[in-house]
Amino acid sequence: GAGVSQSPSNKVTEKGKDVELRCDPISGHTALYWYRQRLGQGLEFLIYFQGNSAPDKSGLPSDRFSAERTGESVSTLTIQRTQQEDSAVYLCASSSPLDTTYNEQFFGPGTRLTVL
Amino acid sequence: GQNIDQPTEMTATEGAIVQINCTYQTSGFNGLFWYQQHAGEAPTFLSYNVLDGLEEKGRFSSFLSRSKGYSYLLLKELQMKDSASYLCAALRRRTYKYIFGTGTRLKVLA
Repeated sequence: GAGVSQSPSNKVTEKGKDVELRCDPISGHTALYWYRQRLGQGLEFLIYFQGNSAPDKSGLPSDRFSAERTGESVSTLTIQRTQQEDSAVYLCASSSPLDTTYNEQFFGPGTRLTVL
Repeated sequence: GQNIDQPTEMTATEGAIVQINCTYQTSGFNGLFWYQQHAGEAPTFLSYNVLDGLEEKGRFSSFLSRSKGYSYLLLKELQMKDSASYLCAALRRRTYKYIFGTGTRLKVLA
């Protein structure tokens, strides 16, 4: 079946521009996560959605970052007025909390963002 | 508070055994995950422990001690393709938030 997909796979933008990253989770997965991973570093939690609501936004680095999810499906992560320090791979993952065994996360391939 | 600690880098020889340790402190713990991430790729699931003890899956085994806040991933009969980062992550109870460690970069040498 289809896995988690993300678009675009690569994005190069100029400092100060806004970017929008998209994530399509696995169908039926109610939990959706966004992470940031800088080169050679671990995963930095940004935000997660349970359905369409975001119980935990504590990882968003600044008010330039926002995310939304509609229809318990697609999510978009928006970064306004991008800065060079925003350059990273942005990973999306989904999981099904209804799974009675464990809540394995399935990751998308990521969006590599480069801010010039 | 919440914190996950694991070594930054490890090196081992092809055919050998390596143990990657992870210690965690998190409120409302509900299980410990290990993920493998090859360079330039997304993480993929390896194992999950929620009860104390050892879970074995082929060449990979994972151990958990809840009382000590400690887990390890054991890789046997190392192969060159096992060179990757190994991420430890704790799941918090009643939420679906995962706390990830920074990952351990494993280099397997011929």
